[in-house]
Amino acid sequence: GENVEQHPSTLSVQEGDSAVIKCTYSDSASNYFPWYKQELGKRPQLIIDIRSNVGEKKDQRIAVTLNKTAKHFSLHITETQPEDSAVYFCAASRDRGSTLGRLYFGRGTQLTVWP
Amino acid sequence: ETGVTQTPRHLVMGMTNKKSLKCEQHLGHNAMYWYKQSAKKPLELMFVYNFKEQTENNSVPSRFSPECPNSSHLFLHLHTLQPEDSALYLCASSQADRSNQPQHFGDGTRLSIL
Repeated sequence: GENVEQHPSTLSVQEGDSAVIKCTYSDSASNYFPWYKQELGKRPQLIIDIRSNVGEKKDQRIAVTLNKTAKHFSLHITETQPEDSAVYFCAASRDRGSTLGRLYFGRGTQLTVWP
Repeated sequence: ETGVTQTPRHLVMGMTNKKSLKCEQHLGHNAMYWYKQSAKKPLELMFVYNFKEQTENNSVPSRFSPECPNSSHLFLHLHTLQPEDSALYLCASSQADRSNQPQHFGDGTRLSIL
């Protein structure tokens, strides 16, 4: 089955700096990679996703890059703000087979942005 | 966002009690999921239902019993739980087809076992 590794487990940055979280996956058939943000006491919420037919996607201060050959993808947050502090989860999924729709999650990264 | 609703939000129960968690999705999805999230641990997938049929059971103890009467409702029946079962239980739903859609989560039920 798929195995998703996520690093680092904790990340502290100064407000205004950039933050990068990296994930690797093992199943070359995985073709969908969402990122979730979970604030303390709240539900995980989708913040951005990428499909395997593109290498990069941006949404304001957030970007995700995908390297299919190396089987890794990364989340980039620029100009970080204290409200970006949360746990971020990466995930991988495939669009066919018996595990259709199932998300394989990384272990999460606790991001703390200091004012 | 009220696409996925979970009740109750908090539950405290003794080890001999029987209770049920409820999840309802209003997004027209065909797949629903139960996850367990313990403190400082990753999300653990417990059960997957696709078109009301259970397609995955990740070696979950039998004291957790899922039920999916239709594609909009999902229950988790709890019986003789252990203290280590205290956690946040999250429900999610998605459209599981070849278009690769994200999962949408509910707010979870915070379960405490006395």
